[in-house]
Amino acid sequence: DAGVIQSPRHEVTEMGQEVTLRCKPISGHNSLFWYRQTMMRGLELLIYFNNNVPIDDSGMPEDRFSAKMPNASFSTLKIQPSEPRDSAVYFCASSFGGSDTEAFFGQGTRLTVV
Amino acid sequence: TQLLEQSPQFLSIQEGENLTVYCNSSSVFSSLQWYRQEPGEGPVLLVTVVTGGEVKKLKRLTFQFGDARKDSSLHITAAQPGDTGLYLCAGGTGTASKLTFGTGTRLQVTL
Repeated sequence: DAGVIQSPRHEVTEMGQEVTLRCKPISGHNSLFWYRQTMMRGLELLIYFNNNVPIDDSGMPEDRFSAKMPNASFSTLKIQPSEPRDSAVYFCASSFGGSDTEAFFGQGTRLTVV
Repeated sequence: TQLLEQSPQFLSIQEGENLTVYCNSSSVFSSLQWYRQEPGEGPVLLVTVVTGGEVKKLKRLTFQFGDARKDSSLHITAAQPGDTGLYLCAGGTGTASKLTFGTGTRLQVTL
């Protein structure tokens, strides 16, 4: 298996633009997570899905952020409109089972909003 | 909110030295995982501990879960440059799928 695949690897956009990050989880995994990582705040959980259903989105910063999982093999995280403070590395991870099981991370998308 | 505090935040040591990283919380977790993250990559799982007092060894790395399942430690013996990276602990609650990640310890091992 190729692992969790994220695209793009790098994204530079202007403030106010819409940004869409994409994730393909590992086949057969039933949980998918979106995290944001910054030096100041570390690794923060934004939202997670179980069997394609959003379970907990309490980490989503505000209404500018939205996430979808239309099927078991694809998820998106959208920021509209983007702001400079959204600059961070965004990770997608997937797992099978509960929180005692290993979470497999993608390589991340480095987002820079100028 | 479940918080996991790691200490130290930064650690720079020479090859061959020993070190211990701590992960503490006021909350009880059903499991505790340790991950290592290298620059430009996502975190990779090192170990999962699920029983209070459990000790697991992975070559030169020794992991311990506290008796009350609120804290954990990672001890590295004879550190090598290849151990350089960001070490993250993460607590799980079992029935819920999400993990709560710690604040991280950035380790640098020099020759």
